[in-house]
Amino acid sequence: DGGITQSPKYLFRKEGQNVTLSCEQNLNHDAMYWYRQDPGQGLRLIYYSQIVNDFQKGDIAEGYSVSREKKESFPLTVTSAQKNPTAFYLCASSIRIGNQPQHFGDGTRLSIL
Amino acid sequence: EDQVTQSPEALRLQEGESSSLNCSYTVSGLRGLFWYRQDPGKGPEFLFTLYSAGEEKEKERLKATLTKKESFLHITAPKPEDSATYLCAVQAGNDYKLSFGAGTTVTVRA
Repeated sequence: DGGITQSPKYLFRKEGQNVTLSCEQNLNHDAMYWYRQDPGQGLRLIYYSQIVNDFQKGDIAEGYSVSREKKESFPLTVTSAQKNPTAFYLCASSIRIGNQPQHFGDGTRLSIL
Repeated sequence: EDQVTQSPEALRLQEGESSSLNCSYTVSGLRGLFWYRQDPGKGPEFLFTLYSAGEEKEKERLKATLTKKESFLHITAPKPEDSATYLCAVQAGNDYKLSFGAGTTVTVRA
């Protein structure tokens, strides 16, 4: 079955540590996205990628970094510069940038130790 | 700035008690309005796309409608398995991005 796989499901970060969240899709989609979800707020866009080796900042990119070396993969690194990283992180993809709907993975919940 | 507001924040229903969720939006040049369902600890699951005022879409007990300023998600004779958070999102103008509302959490009691 085609879909988006995010791992791990739960992740804990220590002070000053960088952590990387994995996102893999087998939908053959060009565009991929990372969102952050906090209680009582709508999903907020962190980064997006239109195509391999290209990515752009979203609305809340500070303290995060991404790479897009393969079409199937779009990992997100939460750096130590992100002072409030506790959240539910969602990866999504669509056929092309701006094309809808976006399909989502089942998320990674990041907490601080 | 595009704004999407969903109401109510939470809705508790008895099984079989029909109700509606609201998504109001303030955008320039709506390209599409999207409804998603999200179960606890899971990613959003796509339900519907609406493109123009007057459009309606149905799926089982759910029906989505669209006007120029808002969309409604009607739940007819809900069952406990309809319990979830329902998210609304809009895409507008030349923007590739989606703007999401905070969601309505629906709980259906047997």
